[in-house]
Amino acid sequence: EIVLTQSPGTLSLSPGERATLSCRASQNINSIYFAWYQQKPGQAPRLLIYGVSRRATGIPDRFSGSGSGTDFTLTISRLEPEDFAVYYCQQYGSSPFTFGPGTKVDFK
Amino acid sequence: EVQLLESGGTLVQPGGSLRLSCAASGFTFSSYAMTWVRQAPGQGLEWVSVISGSGDSTYYADSVKGRFTISRDNSKNTLYLQLNSLRAEDTAAYYCARKYSGFDYWGQGTLLTVSS
Repeated sequence: EIVLTQSPGTLSLSPGERATLSCRASQNINSIYFAWYQQKPGQAPRLLIYGVSRRATGIPDRFSGSGSGTDFTLTISRLEPEDFAVYYCQQYGSSPFTFGPGTKVDFK
Repeated sequence: EVQLLESGGTLVQPGGSLRLSCAASGFTFSSYAMTWVRQAPGQGLEWVSVISGSGDSTYYADSVKGRFTISRDNSKNTLYLQLNSLRAEDTAAYYCARKYSGFDYWGQGTLLTVSS
């Protein structure tokens, strides 16, 4: 099983600041099958990024993904008020598909 | 517009059984793999199971293997999850999602509580 570790657990920032979220895998991941999701309280997760760096439909370009192998990054260039949420990384290329524990981006 | 609507969540006693359903619309259902993901209260996301578009191939998380069965009826555009031998730790919101490039569309979830 591929274990995903996210850091930090919580990121306290202000609107307009840059957010950098990290995800590390316990073994190499085929980049085609790596994704990031956003989840707000009481809502279903929403796909942000797939294939490491491809934005899903309707996702603004302030969200970007990068990385390869075992280390991946989600960057939010300038935080908008609606971006304060929990973010999960995921690999879906090898069963069992796994999610990271999440990074909460909250208001400083 | 792609829509996924889960149903079937309720309160069940430990050891009980239940079937969850996910009604899909707005896309060619049989062309896509579908998956279930759950989230215990206040916890993160846990992948549960996936099924291919044809239904011929299925995979499960170790935590549910042998107790849960995923299936689909492509004539009804519906995904199912049969849950048997339920435990307190199965208490969660259960989401269905379409698997394509990532899990690109999600339902709003159905809540299962396992308690006596």
